[in-house]
Parts: sequence; C-alpha cells; structure tokens
Amino acid sequence: DAGVIQSPRHEVTEMGQEVTLRCKPISGHNSLFWYRQTMMRGLELLIYFNNNVPIDDSGMPEDRFSAKMPNASFSTLKIQPSEPRDSAVYFCASSHTDSGYEQYFGPGTRLTVT
Amino acid sequence: AQRVTQPEKLLSVFKGAPVELKCNYSYSGSPELFWYVQYSRQRLQLLLRHISRESIKGFTADLNKGETSFHLKKPFAQEEDSAMYYCALSRNTGFQKLVFGTGTRLLVSP
Repeated sequence: DAGVIQSPRHEVTEMGQEVTLRCKPISGHNSLFWYRQTMMRGLELLIYFNNNVPIDDSGMPEDRFSAKMPNASFSTLKIQPSEPRDSAVYFCASSHTDSGYEQYFGPGTRLTVT
Repeated sequence: AQRVTQPEKLLSVFKGAPVELKCNYSYSGSPELFWYVQYSRQRLQLLLRHISRESIKGFTADLNKGETSFHLKKPFAQEEDSAMYYCALSRNTGFQKLVFGTGTRLLVSP
C-alpha cells in the first residue's frame, strides 16, 4: 500500500482563486481527517469523516472552506475564494476503528496563496 | 475542552545529552496520550502511546495524571532524533479525534 496519497504536493495560486486539495486514504480505513499546519498554530484539525460521513467540522475556519467525501477512497478540501492567510501545509490522515488511535498521514500539500 | 500545550518551540541539545520534551494537557475525562514525530522529508508518524507503555527508539513517556503531563524522555540523544515532535490527546471513547499540541523541534548537534 502506498499509504495516504495527497495531490497536488505543492499549489501556488492567487488570492481569490478556488483551490481543491485531494486525498486518497489507505484502503480499508474508515476514518479520514483533514489538518492544517502552520508555524504559529501547529496542527489543527479542520474536519473528520467516519464511514464517509462528516462527524465534526468545528475546525473549519469559515464558509470559504468545504470538504467532501463522496466515497471511501476519495476526499476533497476546497477553499473558495482563497486568501493569503490560507497559506499552510494541509495534511490528510486516515485510520481504522480497530487500529486504536493511530492515524496515518499523507505527505501534505503545501499551499501558497499570493 | 481538550487542550495540549507544548511550551518549547525549539529544544537544542548535544549528542549524548538527556532529552525531555514537555507536554501538558487539559481534559476533564480520562485521556489517551500520544507522541507523533515528523523527521525531515518524512510523513508525520506515531512514535508511541501511553497505553502501550513501550520504549520506542529509546524514548519513553509516562502519563502523570496528577500533573496532567506526558513528557517525552530519552537518556542519550542521537543526531537522528532531530525532528518535529507533536504531543496529542484523544478521548478514550468514541471517535478517534486527536488534538495536537503546537509541536517542539528537537535539534541534536554532534
């Protein structure tokens, strides 16, 4: 298994543009998490899904952010419109209920909004 | 509310010196505590969890409920220990939501 796959690895966009980040969790995992990492705030949980259903989106900064998980093997995080303060590394992680609390992280997407 | 505090952004030590990365938490229930590590150019990965009471790569961490702490320790640091370390907390029931601290960068110099 290649682990959690994220695309793109790097994204540079201009303020106001729509950005879509993609994640493919590990096959068989039933929970998926989106995190944002910044120097000032560290790792922040944005939203997580269990069995494709959003469970807690209280970490989503504002309405400009949205996330979907149409099936067990794919999720997207969308920012529309993007702003410079959204610049960060966005991580996706997945886990399985039976594996305890170990989350497996993807390589991250480094987003730069100019 | 659950909160994890890592007071040091950077910890710099020499090879062979003891290391202690501090982690304090606040949670009214009975928590599960974890340490995750991110080596340069690698993915964030689980280092150890308090319930397993293991020593991984020479690191240990003891949950002190009285002091609400879960400090990570190693008696003799190695250069390959240089990485970003995150302490994380979860409830021991329900969904597996993790709350992370802001992280401590450990730099071990030769």
